[in-house]
Amino acid sequence: GQQVMQIPQYQHVQEGEDFTTYCNSSTTLSNIQWYKQRPGGHPVFLIQLVKSGEVKKQKRLTFQFGEAKKNSSLHITATQTTDVGTYFCSTDSWGKLQFGAGTQVVVTP
Amino acid sequence: DGGITQSPKYLFRKEGQNVTLSCEQNLNHDAMYWYRQDPGQGLRLIYYSQIVNDFQKGDIAEGYSVSREKKESFPLTVTSAQKNPTAFYLCASSSGLRETQYFGPGTRLLVL
Repeated sequence: GQQVMQIPQYQHVQEGEDFTTYCNSSTTLSNIQWYKQRPGGHPVFLIQLVKSGEVKKQKRLTFQFGEAKKNSSLHITATQTTDVGTYFCSTDSWGKLQFGAGTQVVVTP
Repeated sequence: DGGITQSPKYLFRKEGQNVTLSCEQNLNHDAMYWYRQDPGQGLRLIYYSQIVNDFQKGDIAEGYSVSREKKESFPLTVTSAQKNPTAFYLCASSSGLRETQYFGPGTRLLVL
């Protein structure tokens, strides 16, 4: 089964607004990876977080790994229509990557 | 131009037929994977291979088979035993089982 839970499952966002999606676990994680899948496309690797409390930014995207390494968040500022898609987190579980169910993001112009 | 290729992009199958989906990578990755994705759903692992001539069942292996005779290739056969095969199939590869995965463009299978 999945080791990480992603919330929310769906996110409707008005263009220009900010939003945050979360990836949570009941156990300590060794790392977190984030992927983005555009509608009709395939997942593409965005970033990996390894250290407790780590924060990384990619333009309008801010990724954070919790201090206890049990959760991670992806925050998008000033959402654009190009941000539409499904965001997956994944983590090393039982020797291989396990993916969360994803947060599907819909952007309203 | 390195990457992962999957063919065909779209595939139609009649009920009762086996069909094989191709996946090739030139990234020199040891590990390869097959996932199934249904509309609006996440990724479900079908099979994975850590090394040539070895592969393991994932979460939904029933009705599928794979082979790993070459490092570059990991074909997936959807057999007639798979009762609901219509889905989007994604192949991925990585340098190791715990490493970042790189996905191919996918194959959409439709059973007629």
